[in-house]
Amino acid sequence: QKEVEQDPGPLSVPEGAIVSLNCTYSNSAFQYFMWYRQYSRKGPELLMYTYSSGNKEDGRFTAQVDKSSKYISLFIRDSQPSDSATYLCAMNNAGNMLTFGGGTRLMVKP
Amino acid sequence: SQTIHQWPATLVQPVGSPLSLECTVEGTSNPNLYWYRQAAGRGLQLLFYSVGIGQISSEVPQNLSASRPQDRQFILSSKKLLLSDSGFYLCAWSGSVEQYFGPGTRLTVT
Repeated sequence: QKEVEQDPGPLSVPEGAIVSLNCTYSNSAFQYFMWYRQYSRKGPELLMYTYSSGNKEDGRFTAQVDKSSKYISLFIRDSQPSDSATYLCAMNNAGNMLTFGGGTRLMVKP
Repeated sequence: SQTIHQWPATLVQPVGSPLSLECTVEGTSNPNLYWYRQAAGRGLQLLFYSVGIGQISSEVPQNLSASRPQDRQFILSSKKLLLSDSGFYLCAWSGSVEQYFGPGTRLTVT
């Protein structure tokens, strides 16, 4: 069993939809949770990161962490075709070593 | 602001040839540096990380090596490439807990 599980998709949604991307993890020591966006043939770009449980909002993006369930989510409101990319979750336990999910490919259709 | 560079962007090399990929970081001092490989449709595999000049830790035994000759320079090398070395190579540096990625080098071994 992988430490971090992420549905590979692809997830296809119409423009304007609310998107929910999720990861589950097994290591209860994880404290920091990150979401990266990776366009095809580009390096991953850090979208946002959160510490411990709770929500964090940045524009159309909201990151949610539920440590009791070992479950994290990224919500995208009013999705745009430019949001089409692979989304990677990552987490660590206060060191600098990240554990990544395998990524979910998102396609937003106009 | 910090910037991370990688070159070359694309490389096609025959089996058995040597390899040298370079990564440099601007705008920060004494960063932790990382090399990852991303195979097609798969997640990120950590290859090497470095906490300082000359300090390299290997995560995966293989025919690749890494060096850090200067504070903000990280080099990935191989004496003889294998077909299985094909992939997308990413360099990253870490802030407090998060990591920031370069644009990547796409390597095809033929």
